[in-house]
Amino acid sequence: QSALTQPPSASGSPGQSVTISCTGTSSDVGFYNYVSWYQQHPGKAPKLMTYDVNKRPSGVPDRFSGSKSGNTASLTVSGLQAEDEADYYCSSYAGSNIVFGGGTKLTVL
Amino acid sequence: QVQLVESGGGVVQPGRSLRLSCAASGFTFIHYGMYWVRQAPGKGLEWVTFIWYDGNNEYYADSVKGRFTVSRDNSKNTLYLQMNSLRVEDTAVYYCARDPLGSGSYIDSWGQGTRVTVSS
Repeated sequence: QSALTQPPSASGSPGQSVTISCTGTSSDVGFYNYVSWYQQHPGKAPKLMTYDVNKRPSGVPDRFSGSKSGNTASLTVSGLQAEDEADYYCSSYAGSNIVFGGGTKLTVL
Repeated sequence: QVQLVESGGGVVQPGRSLRLSCAASGFTFIHYGMYWVRQAPGKGLEWVTFIWYDGNNEYYADSVKGRFTVSRDNSKNTLYLQMNSLRVEDTAVYYCARDPLGSGSYIDSWGQGTRVTVSS
């Protein structure tokens, strides 16, 4: 049950695009299309941003998009806005368990 | 609307027990798998346990296996987490969360969390 690997930080200026990576193994990210991404602002509960690799819940702006290649999943935030500054966590189903990434702090410069 | 309200957190000494509850409303509870996810102070999210919609299957993180037990009462729309032999490293905010597919795919709703502090 090892955590997925995310970069600790990422940043971009308003209007730019940023991509956050999430690396797992052939037993989780690489095997299942159950990768999801969550946004968490300080002191708040996480919020689902994408699921099943590249699907977006209703209400989430289409500036957020998910993808996957092999054992690595990615979240791209286009047209960065100040309110996108938050922590982002990836997650993957792994058979009889679920694993999260360590989190990436996204800073909007 | 979907509401998940956790309760039962507090300060407890190492080795003692605590039971968390999560009251669900705004949806048909029995149709959904449920998680407990925790977050230690200043740290990331950690999956703790998952229980199927009907309670017939449970899965646990290695860090809590044998000490924590998840259960649900579908007649009361309530999820529970019995935590025994608590350790300092169990200190965290514990979130109750919902899985719309009931099989451990993803979380579409989270509670606001209840804080557990294990300290002597």
